[in-house]
Amino acid sequence: EPEVTQTPSHQVTQMGQEVILRCVPISNHLYFYWYRQILGQKVEFLVSFYNNEISEKSEIFDDQFSVERPDGSNFTLKIRSTKLEDSAMYFCASRATGQPQHFGDGTRLSIL
Amino acid sequence: GIQVEQSPPDLILQEGANSTLRCNFSDSVNNLQWFHQNPWGQLINLFYIPSGTKQNGRLSATTVATERYSLLYISSSQTTDSGVYFCAVEGMNTNAGKSTFGDGTTLTVKP
Repeated sequence: EPEVTQTPSHQVTQMGQEVILRCVPISNHLYFYWYRQILGQKVEFLVSFYNNEISEKSEIFDDQFSVERPDGSNFTLKIRSTKLEDSAMYFCASRATGQPQHFGDGTRLSIL
Repeated sequence: GIQVEQSPPDLILQEGANSTLRCNFSDSVNNLQWFHQNPWGQLINLFYIPSGTKQNGRLSATTVATERYSLLYISSSQTTDSGVYFCAVEGMNTNAGKSTFGDGTTLTVKP
């Protein structure tokens, strides 16, 4: 069964540095998402992406964050000038129209 | 936006016992999924169940969409069932098909 793949599985970064989290959605899916889960808390929606543009973003997704689909297969989340509170598990998801979301295994981001 | 409430927040069982986890939601939904988050943090999809009943081995789920709740049943629980169980819904009035997660139920199965 096709899967959503995320790299790296664990990223350690110094505070203030930029980080890019990468995702390869399932190939025939058209809708893409990023979610965040701070340790011990629930999974929170960050942003959705469709037809090469952001379709919805949460209040968490401020100017520090950006998403891109640079080459038709990858879907990236960039965090500029990371802060300690950005430490979390980040999940990518994709889906086809009318179908459930498929989640990747997540990237654990640790900001030092 | 849509609100999702899960109960109980914590559940401790002896191996072999049965359990029922509940998810209430505040609005009509297009989709509902149950996930098990394993110790490595992976979200394992258990059921996609916007309505009706499904079974997969020792697990089954029922969603009564008209009454805005879903139940996850775990029978003959095993220690490997331990972890956090999340309900996630896509509201019918939600833009872009995003999922809203509940706070989860933390299940501990003791040998």
